[in-house]
Amino acid sequence: SQTIHQWPATLVQPVGSPLSLECTVEGTSNPNLYWYRQAAGRGLQLLFYSVGIGQISSEVPQNLSASRPQDRQFILSSKKLLLSDSGFYLCAWSEDRGQETQYFGPGTRLLVL
Amino acid sequence: AQSVTQPDIHITVSEGASLELRCNYSYGATPYLFWYVQSPGQGLQLLLKYFSGDTLVQGIKGFEAEFKRSQSSFNLRKPSVHWSDAAEYFCAVAVVYGGSQGNLIFGKGTKLSVKP
Repeated sequence: SQTIHQWPATLVQPVGSPLSLECTVEGTSNPNLYWYRQAAGRGLQLLFYSVGIGQISSEVPQNLSASRPQDRQFILSSKKLLLSDSGFYLCAWSEDRGQETQYFGPGTRLLVL
Repeated sequence: AQSVTQPDIHITVSEGASLELRCNYSYGATPYLFWYVQSPGQGLQLLLKYFSGDTLVQGIKGFEAEFKRSQSSFNLRKPSVHWSDAAEYFCAVAVVYGGSQGNLIFGKGTKLSVKP
């Protein structure tokens, strides 16, 4: 069966520091991968999605970036964190076909101080 | 533009009572619709989904939802709520590009509290 992992679970970082969040999927190949941010009272916001290695689409311009170095690995990064980057970051995957459903990881809680 | 509205931010029900969470969507074509549940500090778990066919769909944990095209709604229901159902519930619609599903657009969620 497929599983999705996110690391770390919780992170406290100072403003201006770099960021690297990792998401890995097991039990499937060539998944679509997604990064969402969830801020309090604001629902889920799609940040990036990827349909294959090295293929990244950005939904919201900001100081975050994403990379997909391997088929089942998706990384969210920043060179300099802002206070407004605090939130709950969720990674999701879906099968590479029509009508697929997205399945979510456990999330990473990021607090920027 | 596509959108999802969950009009109730917070709902409190008594354990054993029935539940209905509202969801309205705005989308020009036939939507793919989803309900997810999120416990505090956790990821989202899929409860059920509607793609086509029978407009009443059954999900996990005793939940069901009914797609009503005329009302652009996809309300979630449960006949008897359990204390463990306390969580936040998200409705979502898939934006379809060509023949494949694209991205999900989420409502802002409804937080469910359950009174003993």
